Amino acid sequence: DTGVSQDPRHKITKRGQNVTFRCDPISEHNRLYWYRQTLGQGPEFLTYFQNEAQLEKSRLLSDRFSAERPKGSFSTLEIQRTEQGDSAMYLCASSRGTATLREQYFGPGTRLTVT
Amino acid sequence: AQKVTQAQTEISVVEKEDVTLDCVYETRDTTYYLFWYKQPPSGELVFLIRRNSFDEQNEISGRYSWNFQKSTSSFNFTITASQVVDSAVYFCALSEDLSSSGTYKYIFGTGTRLKVLA
Repeated sequence: DTGVSQDPRHKITKRGQNVTFRCDPISEHNRLYWYRQTLGQGPEFLTYFQNEAQLEKSRLLSDRFSAERPKGSFSTLEIQRTEQGDSAMYLCASSRGTATLREQYFGPGTRLTVT
Repeated sequence: AQKVTQAQTEISVVEKEDVTLDCVYETRDTTYYLFWYKQPPSGELVFLIRRNSFDEQNEISGRYSWNFQKSTSSFNFTITASQVVDSAVYFCALSEDLSSSGTYKYIFGTGTRLKVLA
């Protein structure tokens, strides 16, 4: 049973550039989450998919951020016109679609540095 | 509003000591779930335990044990006979239902960094 994978693991970009991250969830999980984690903080919820439908977006997700999950499989998170404040670890998690078994399994994250 | 507080920012212990990590939560939901995750230096969050609000039994798994007390809104985590490999940041999280459709998200505490010294 392979876990959640994320690509790339590290990304350094210049301010104003666009970046895209990919997440491959555990295959039988239909729920997929994106979080952002800054130094010394816990992960903060960004958005959530159930299959291909994006059901919830946090206020943290400005209009420069967009996420997709075509065909309910992998997901991408794009940040346009990056700012230094976007520097963080971006975490993806997946879980089964039951109310009880709601523990989320996390990927290794993509660390973004905006210079 | 839902909230998770981990007041201990960092704890250092000597190997083989017992250590307890505190977690206090706030929620208006009657049904909720609590979790503990471990984040080692590699960065990947590792799921440790899930507990629902109707099950107040304490749980033990090897050297790990969890004490859930609804009366004090606490879900504390104890490591017995700590080892250097236990060094990590530990997060407590609360599951909040987003809507009546059964969707939910996690609210994380700020984490407790545990350092176990040899």
